Amino acid sequence: KQEVTQIPAALSVPEGENLVLNCSFTDSAIYNLQWFRQDPGKGLTSLLLIQSSQREQTSGRLNASLDKSSGRSTLYIAASQPGDSATYLCAARMDSSYKLIFGSGTRLLVRP
Amino acid sequence: EAGVVQSPRYKIIEKKQPVAFWCNPISGHNTLYWYRQNLGQGPELLIRYENEEAVDDSQLPKDRFSAERLKGVDSTLKIQPAELGDSAVYLCASRTTGTYEQYFGPGTRLTVT
Repeated sequence: KQEVTQIPAALSVPEGENLVLNCSFTDSAIYNLQWFRQDPGKGLTSLLLIQSSQREQTSGRLNASLDKSSGRSTLYIAASQPGDSATYLCAARMDSSYKLIFGSGTRLLVRP
Repeated sequence: EAGVVQSPRYKIIEKKQPVAFWCNPISGHNTLYWYRQNLGQGPELLIRYENEEAVDDSQLPKDRFSAERLKGVDSTLKIQPAELGDSAVYLCASRTTGTYEQYFGPGTRLTVT
């Protein structure tokens, strides 16, 4: 069974700190991996998408990496801000159907 | 460009009652997804449409859930009868052919009492 796991489930950091969120997947033959942000009561907003042929993607203060051989992806957030507080979900596309397998998310709180 | 629209945003019903959710995808997006997100979990795919055809409904509990996408645009997801375990957020997403990114709506939060 294809599974995506995110650790930790929750994280609290002071403002300004750099942080890393982890995502692991069971099938190394993934097509791509996406990181999403979800604010309370809201839908998902796509942050970064990494194709299987790529090692990393960057957008502003966010950097996502992909290591297929180890079945891992990380989301690095630089200089965290209170506005970064949200739940971060990773999702892997593991076959040609475009079906995404989601992790349970990491709930991030950035304290002022 | 308008995003994915869902309604209602919230719904509270008693168990055994029917309920329906509506989704209007982004204009031009021919692929539409319905996901269910339980509290503290990631979304799980219920059904995927390519235009008006349901191409992946393996996760849809067909005894009580049904969906349709008439004319390949708007879609409706129905539950009849609802059970307590159906309480969740139902998310709709859409994607255009040739791209990978899915765009999500705000979801419908269903509470079954």
